[in-house]
Amino acid sequence: SYVLTQPPSVSVAPGQTARITCGGNNIGSKSVHWYQQKPGQAPVLVVYDDSDRPSGIPERFSGSNSGNTATLTISRVEAGDEADYYCQVWDSSSDHPGVFGGGTKLTVL
Amino acid sequence: QVQLVQSGAEVKKPGASVKVSCKASGYTFTSYGISWVRQAPGQGLEWMGWISAYNGNTNYAQKLQGRVTMTTDTSTSTAYMELRSLRSDDTAVYYCARVSGWPEHPFDYWGQGTLVTVSS
Repeated sequence: SYVLTQPPSVSVAPGQTARITCGGNNIGSKSVHWYQQKPGQAPVLVVYDDSDRPSGIPERFSGSNSGNTATLTISRVEAGDEADYYCQVWDSSSDHPGVFGGGTKLTVL
Repeated sequence: QVQLVQSGAEVKKPGASVKVSCKASGYTFTSYGISWVRQAPGQGLEWMGWISAYNGNTNYAQKLQGRVTMTTDTSTSTAYMELRSLRSDDTAVYYCARVSGWPEHPFDYWGQGTLVTVSS
């Protein structure tokens, strides 16, 4: 089945830029979605189809996808951005087509 | 506003079944699908399957085939997920999430989650 690889943790100071990667075989050919999950809460969609933002999500959140790596970029990081972030794709050839990455814990220093 | 409200926490014994409900409001239920995602304690997200509220078509994760059934009741705009032959590793928070059209689309709204504990 298709595997998505994320770093377990990323740390960044407030006001800086955080980049969270999601690696997968030829992931650039797939649409990648990103979710933010704060402790005890349900996930929230923050980027879909590689780089689009749902309404209500700040422009500070952006995404890109090429080759074997997709990236979620959070500019001007705030304390409230501290959360777990998950990438997700659909792999129609797999017996487990809805695939999530293992998640990345973003710590704001 | 779009809302997905799930049923309350459950405690089940190994071998039993659980049925979690997800009541939708704020949108046309039959124009979307529902995916189910679970999260074991301290772990990541795991996709379980998808159901079309339009025609009842389903797509289940292979590892759950034979143990999971997803259904909808369009008269009450409610989706259901039943998991049978429960094991301890089924202990998790179970989420429903709205999906536009096809299952490969993003999960744009989520329920609050339902904790299912499997313990003897």
